[in-house]
Amino acid sequence: DAGITQSPRYKITETGRQVTLMCHQTWSHSYMFWYRQDLGHGLRLIYYSAAADITDKGEVPDGYVVSRSKTENFPLTLESATRSQTSVYFCASSETPVTGELFFGEGSRLTVL
Amino acid sequence: ILNVEQSPQSLHVQEGDSTNFTCSFPSSNFYALHWYRWETAKSPEALFVMTLNGDEKKKGRISATLNTKEGYSYLYIKGSQPEDSATYLCAYVNTGGFKTIFGAGTRLFVKA
Repeated sequence: DAGITQSPRYKITETGRQVTLMCHQTWSHSYMFWYRQDLGHGLRLIYYSAAADITDKGEVPDGYVVSRSKTENFPLTLESATRSQTSVYFCASSETPVTGELFFGEGSRLTVL
Repeated sequence: ILNVEQSPQSLHVQEGDSTNFTCSFPSSNFYALHWYRWETAKSPEALFVMTLNGDEKKKGRISATLNTKEGYSYLYIKGSQPEDSATYLCAYVNTGGFKTIFGAGTRLFVKA
């Protein structure tokens, strides 16, 4: 089915471990985004990508790494997870955010113990 | 820092009331302003994407206006219904690489 999917949907890990959240879209959208949902802040932008091999920092990039070797995939890696990274992570894609809406995945709930 | 602010933070209304929220954003380097509806335990869904100063968009009982010169947008809901209960987010897109920044949202509660 066409769409944007995130995996895993739920993840529990321990402080210091590496975690990768996957995001896959089937529309061939140019733009992809990673947000985290924080109480009182709504959605905060972690990283975004305008095309394959082009990524840029958002509002809260520290502690995260992204890559985009293929247009359809945009994985987010927490290199050494911390408790403050406990959150719900949303991936989104858009052909262009100038005139086109963002389409969101279902979210990945990450708990860091 | 790109500051996108929404007010009020939350709003409680009775069924049938009309209501409106505000989104403030930087007026410089503006490209687009999005509005999203976000229900609990779901993903945000787009309501409107606006780009031109003076834009007005409408979808059913919901409408939005845009003032890019002064940096604000209003979202209006006419005759609120309990199913309108959700968080309403605005997102500002700037010319610097099309970074898309969300406000903290307005949480609407509509009581039957």
